[in-house]
Amino acid sequence: SQQGEEDPQALSIQEGENATMNCSYKTSINNLQWYRQNSGRGLVHLILIRSNEREKHSGRLRVTLDTSKKSSSLLITASRAADTASYFCATAFSNDYKLSFGAGTTVTVRA
Amino acid sequence: EAQVTQNPRYLITVTGKKLTVTCSQNMNHEYMSWYRQDPGLGLRQIYYSMNVEVTDKGDVPEGYKVSRKEKRNFPLILESPSPNQTSLYFCATSGISYNEQFFGPGTRLTVL
Repeated sequence: SQQGEEDPQALSIQEGENATMNCSYKTSINNLQWYRQNSGRGLVHLILIRSNEREKHSGRLRVTLDTSKKSSSLLITASRAADTASYFCATAFSNDYKLSFGAGTTVTVRA
Repeated sequence: EAQVTQNPRYLITVTGKKLTVTCSQNMNHEYMSWYRQDPGLGLRQIYYSMNVEVTDKGDVPEGYKVSRKEKRNFPLILESPSPNQTSLYFCATSGISYNEQFFGPGTRLTVL
């Protein structure tokens, strides 16, 4: 499997703080995506960044991609209790038209 | 409303009793996929389908079958379930296989 790996596995922050999680992968990608999963529910797509892009924003989310280091980061600014969830990166590799998901980062936002 | 539906949502069964989990989408997507999610392992792809009558194995296909006779439906079949198939299963669809995927609500399966 060519799945990406997230880091850290778990993160606990205070409401209002920023949360940063990282994803590393091993081979060339077409794009990299981030998804959110609330406890036991279906995954929800957050953002897609293509291999020729370096940074993307969506509301309080900021995603960066460094293809030279084969890594991406997801930053959630001014976190809220509702951001408590698991976050997954998914990589679409250049030689394989499937998505491979990592094991996820569990984020807990404390009130 | 764009939807991916799965049935049943919860199922407890016994070893060896054939079962089918249905997946249906109303987005006219060509690409559909099944994943299983286990603690600490993330999502692993079981099977996928690029279009009607076109299916292929994912990373963990053993013990599963699929069919794609119509564009909107992509059932997952467990011919002889075993306890190691106890898991949370998700169906997903996409207009293009490697773009944004839309997930169903999940089916929690327990095999005793």
